[in-house]
This record gives sequence, C-alpha cells and structure tokens, in this order.
Amino acid sequence: DQQVKQNSPSLSVQEGRISILNCDYTNSMFDYFLWYKKYPAEGPTFLISISSIKDKNEDGRFTVFLNKSAKHLSLHIVPSQPGDSAVYFCAARDLKTSYDKVIFGPGTSLSVIP
Amino acid sequence: KAGVTQTPRYLIKTRGQQVTLSCSPISGHRSVSWYQQTPGQGLQFLFEYFSETQRNKGNFPGRFSGRQFSNSRSEMNVSTLELGDSALYLCASSLQGARNTIYFGEGSWLTVV
Repeated sequence: DQQVKQNSPSLSVQEGRISILNCDYTNSMFDYFLWYKKYPAEGPTFLISISSIKDKNEDGRFTVFLNKSAKHLSLHIVPSQPGDSAVYFCAARDLKTSYDKVIFGPGTSLSVIP
Repeated sequence: KAGVTQTPRYLIKTRGQQVTLSCSPISGHRSVSWYQQTPGQGLQFLFEYFSETQRNKGNFPGRFSGRQFSNSRSEMNVSTLELGDSALYLCASSLQGARNTIYFGEGSWLTVV
C-alpha cells in the first residue's frame, strides 16, 4: 500500500519555464513533508520541507504548496535550469511517532531541456 | 564536516551468501536509518537506530538486520541473499529532533548474482 504517490514518473520542461512536480498522500497522520533531489549514483539531497500547519514554503527558486484537505502537495521550480534535471522524491513523516522514519514516493524524473 | 560515509560502495555477491554494509554518520548525529532503493519500488524504509536501539522497522523479512554501535556507526546485514535483494542501500543520519534534516550517504550498490 503506497502511502506517498507520485503519479508522474517523468516530466520534461524547457529551461526557464516552471516545473511542477505533484505528490499525493493517503495517511492523514503525516504532518511533515519533504522533497529530496537525487542524481544518479548519489544519495538523495534535501531540498525543502513543509509542516502541515503551513500551506506554502519558499526557498529561492523552490516553493512547496500543501493542500491538506486534498492530501496533495506540489513542488514548483521557477525558473527551471538544466542542473535541476534529476529524480525528485516526495516524502512524508509522522512527527508524533515516527522519529526518523520517512516514507518516500516512487520519484519523478525531471528533465530540463536547454 | 564530513558527510555520511558508506562502505563498500559497490559489491557483488552470490545467491545464498550474506553481506554486511557499513555506515558512519555525520559527526554528532546519533540517529541512523537505512533505506533500500530499487527501480520499481523507490526508497523503502528498512530500520532506524538511535543510541544503539532500533526505534523503527520497515516491512522487510528477518533476513535484513542492523545494529548501531556506541560511536553511532551502524551496520546492516542481509543473510541468505536473493536476486531481488539487488539494490542501492542508503544510510541516512540526523541530529536528535523531529524536524532535523535527514542527510543521506551515497549508498552501497549491491548486486546479487
């Protein structure tokens, strides 16, 4: 049973345009959400997070939006750059009980075309 | 400061053998967790240790085990290897505290033949 879903396995975007990566979750106990970026042969790198008490968090070119009622979050990258080409993982935690247990989605492979 | 270090980076084992992977967390980090990444399943949580105690365990068979030492270094062991155990095994560490960032190592690539 996949608790964190990323229904788009891949996404292609032109350089300079906006990239929107989507994520849905099923477990209403999740209260902290993260995005990680992963290049081949490297470990995932933390990008940005958002608490369930917020609906938006911004960090430079990266913005994460959370819609709790829809159990949906999205990562916006503006403007997209070729170096952003990587696999992006949406992840979720239940801070009340799960310590460092993080549930990851299957990932979306982003290609930014120059 | 040094990141999460995993050894070995690459290894090939035969079905039925066992393997031990090692992880050195970032200095000062006491929480260590392990994940398995396969092409079809994404990153799957294996287990998490803090102060030598396992706090969480994922849905993996008993062939997968781990431990943490007093210096926070951790090892995971897979016994009676199966072809399906071929994967990238990632170790992550963090400071104690719920919102602290979890930092990943580069992983150990295991191929079972």
